[in-house]
This record gives sequence, C-alpha cells and structure tokens, in this order.
Amino acid sequence: AQSVTQLGSHVSVSEGALVLLRCNYSSSVPPYLFWYVQYPNQGLQLLLKYTTGATLVKGINGFEAEFKKSETSFHLTKPSAHMSDAAEYFCAVSEFSSASKIIFGSGTRLSIRP
Amino acid sequence: GAGVSQSPSNKVTEKGKDVELRCDPISGHTALYWYRQSLGQGLEFLIYFQGNSAPDKSGLPSDRFSAERTGGSVSTLTIQRTQQEDSAVYLCASSISQGNEQFFGPGTRLTVL
Repeated sequence: AQSVTQLGSHVSVSEGALVLLRCNYSSSVPPYLFWYVQYPNQGLQLLLKYTTGATLVKGINGFEAEFKKSETSFHLTKPSAHMSDAAEYFCAVSEFSSASKIIFGSGTRLSIRP
Repeated sequence: GAGVSQSPSNKVTEKGKDVELRCDPISGHTALYWYRQSLGQGLEFLIYFQGNSAPDKSGLPSDRFSAERTGGSVSTLTIQRTQQEDSAVYLCASSISQGNEQFFGPGTRLTVL
C-alpha cells in the first residue's frame, strides 16, 4: 500500500526566505510523485511531478523537488518566497503500474510573512 | 470550456436527502476520478473510471455512495440518504488516459444540515 506523510500542517516563512515543505512516501513499487497547490477558493493545480529520469524536478513558479529514493523523500523547495505563494500544498504518490488513483498527503498550509 | 467543470458549485441539503453531483471532464479524456476533501480527512480517493467502467471503487465510503459515467464523458456521483459526515468538497479530475496527469475541477461544496 502507498502512503504519503507531510511534516508540518502549517509552515510560515518571511517573504524572500527559503521555502521547504517536507514529504516522505511509502510505496512497494517505483512511485510517481507529485506536488499539487491549492490557492484559496481554487481547484488543485499540478506544481511538478517525478516519473522517471532526473531526480531533481523543476515546476512552475520557481518550485522544485528532489526525489531521494534512499530517504523515501520528495521535499519541495523554493529559494525565495513570494507573497503569492501562500496556499495549501499537497504531496501525492501514485503507482504507474495501476495509476488508478493518487494518494494525497494531508497538506501543508504555507503562509508568507511580509 | 477547456477545463474540468463541476456542478453545482455549492449544494446545501438536509440530512436524509439524496444528492447528485456532476462532473464534465476535459473533452477526449478517457480517465475520470472522484475525490473528497474534508476537514480532518484530507483528500481521499473515491472512484476511478476508465471509459464507462469503474475498475477501482475502493474509496467509496459506504453503499450510500455510487457513481456512473455515460458516453465516456459526463459522470454523476450520487449520495443517498445524506449524513452530516458527508459534508465535504467533492473534486473531480480527468486525464487523457490512465497514468497521465490529472486535471482537477473546482469542486462541489456539499453541506448536509
């Protein structure tokens, strides 16, 4: 069975500071990993995904994530936070062999301090 | 429209009533997914369609929940005899085929009084 753990339900950083949102996964098969963002009163939007190949994945809005198999992690980072980054972020995993569903983490709410 | 659409956007109902939630996927997308987002439960998978068939219904919480898809397009999620714990945002997503990126709709916010 697959699962995702996001450490920290709420993260607050200052504008311009590094953003680091932590995600660890559990999967019995090579996983597909995703980060989704949900802005207030909007739907889920894909930030980035890892399928195969390069372990450092770049997404939209300056975000990137690195797949570390040895640590079963897929942490999301952004070098410099912007006020517009305030949102809920979800880490997720799926099995490409079935890919019938995505298993989501519980989410991390990112707040940006001026 | 270019994206996944869902209707209604908001639904308030009384406990015990039946409700139907509709999802219009992106044209040409063969795979369709329903999820539920509620406080304390996060985002939960409910059911997945490939074409008109549902190979994975493992997330439906009880037999009060059912879904169908017709013509390989529109899907309806039905909740019978609604309970207060059914209150949540119900999200629909579609992908061009199984295993590809899922595009999410804006959701239907269901409130059961």
